[in-house]
Amino acid sequence: EAQVTQNPRYLITVTGKKLTVTCSQNMNHEYMSWYRQDPGLGLRQIYYSMNVEVTDKGDVPEGYKVSRKEKRNFPLILESPSPNQTSLYFCASSLQGASMGRLFSYEQYFGPGTRLTVT
Amino acid sequence: SQQGEEDPQALSIQEGENATMNCSYKTSINNLQWYRQNSGRGLVHLILIRSNEREKHSGRLRVTLDTSKKSSSLLITASRAADTASYFCALGGTGANSKLTFGKGITLSVRP
Repeated sequence: EAQVTQNPRYLITVTGKKLTVTCSQNMNHEYMSWYRQDPGLGLRQIYYSMNVEVTDKGDVPEGYKVSRKEKRNFPLILESPSPNQTSLYFCASSLQGASMGRLFSYEQYFGPGTRLTVT
Repeated sequence: SQQGEEDPQALSIQEGENATMNCSYKTSINNLQWYRQNSGRGLVHLILIRSNEREKHSGRLRVTLDTSKKSSSLLITASRAADTASYFCALGGTGANSKLTFGKGITLSVRP
């Protein structure tokens, strides 16, 4: 079954304790992305990756790191979590298309979400 | 980066009625997509319409795109209680990367 998996689904942690949220997809997608969702703010992109070893900042990258060593995995790392990173996090993946030298995203497949609380 | 603006922010209708949701944007796009999210769950892709298309259908869903007005609408016909969810429009840009930018969402409630 084509899917994006995230772990853990729920996490309560304390300020400053490093954590990693894993994301894996089995659809051989080039593009992967992390979002956070907060009430009234919609989904905001944290980081994205257009292929292995190619990552870039989204709209709200501060306090986060990512890596893309393999095509299927795209972990999100919080080196020193703070309470303002309490949020619902989603990983997503998609195929990429190209038209006239520009890339565009097809439909994105989302993971089930990770609800993170930092106290 | 630009974000689609959805309208209305919330919509409440009776089962069987049609629901119309709108999305407006400011700059050029490659495609526009609509997603649904049930409470606290991952987003599910509904439909993608390319910038050179004007209308697409999928089951009870109909999406239109007017690039001259920079707006799109999502119509759900004969709504059901199970359609209760948040709906998001997402803009596929024309920039160097293949980023999607999501709006803040529309909350749809369908009363049985």
